[in-house]
Amino acid sequence: EAGVTQSPTHLIKTRGQQATLRCSPISGHTSVYWYQQALGLGLQFLLWYDEGEERNRGNFPPRFSGRQFPNYSSELNVNALELEDSALYLCASSHDGTDTQYFGPGTRLTVL
Amino acid sequence: AQSVTQLGSHVSVSEGALVLLRCNYSSSVPPYLFWYVQYPNQGLQLLLKYTSAATLVKGINGFEAEFKKSETSFHLTKPSAHMSDAAEYFCAVGRNSGGSNYKLTFGKGTLLTVNP
Repeated sequence: EAGVTQSPTHLIKTRGQQATLRCSPISGHTSVYWYQQALGLGLQFLLWYDEGEERNRGNFPPRFSGRQFPNYSSELNVNALELEDSALYLCASSHDGTDTQYFGPGTRLTVL
Repeated sequence: AQSVTQLGSHVSVSEGALVLLRCNYSSSVPPYLFWYVQYPNQGLQLLLKYTSAATLVKGINGFEAEFKKSETSFHLTKPSAHMSDAAEYFCAVGRNSGGSNYKLTFGKGTLLTVNP
């Protein structure tokens, strides 16, 4: 069974640009979660999507947004990039909002 | 609100020695508890989970953890460390007041070093 996949592996942007990160969940999983792992800040919950809807978001500004497609894959968009957005962005999936979350390898975003 | 405290940001053991990584949690509802491992430049891999069944949970790679409600702890142990165990370990608590596991709250992680 294929695991959670994320693309790209690395992404380099400059301040003010937009970044788009993609995630494909494990087959059969309907929930997708996004987490940010920034140096010194640890792992922080960003967003939860289930059945195409945003179900909850963490304490992040509105320039962090995303969506979930009919095939349950998901996209995270970060607008107006700031230097402090540099981090590893991890995607996880689960059967639904009550089940164990399985993580992908992450996308390393660097903002210059 | 839920929170996790991992005591010791860095633990160093000799190969073959006992591994003990400490995790204490705070939760207003019965928690789901998880240990994940992260190898350099990789994502998180699930080691084991507690979801209100047996209090002693066995995971992959010889790791196990015991849920102790009275101590609000979920420490991770392995009887004999292997060089390949060197990684960062994260304890996480899930399950909000509505019963959903949607948001995991992580501890700050413990970096395990294994010396030959």
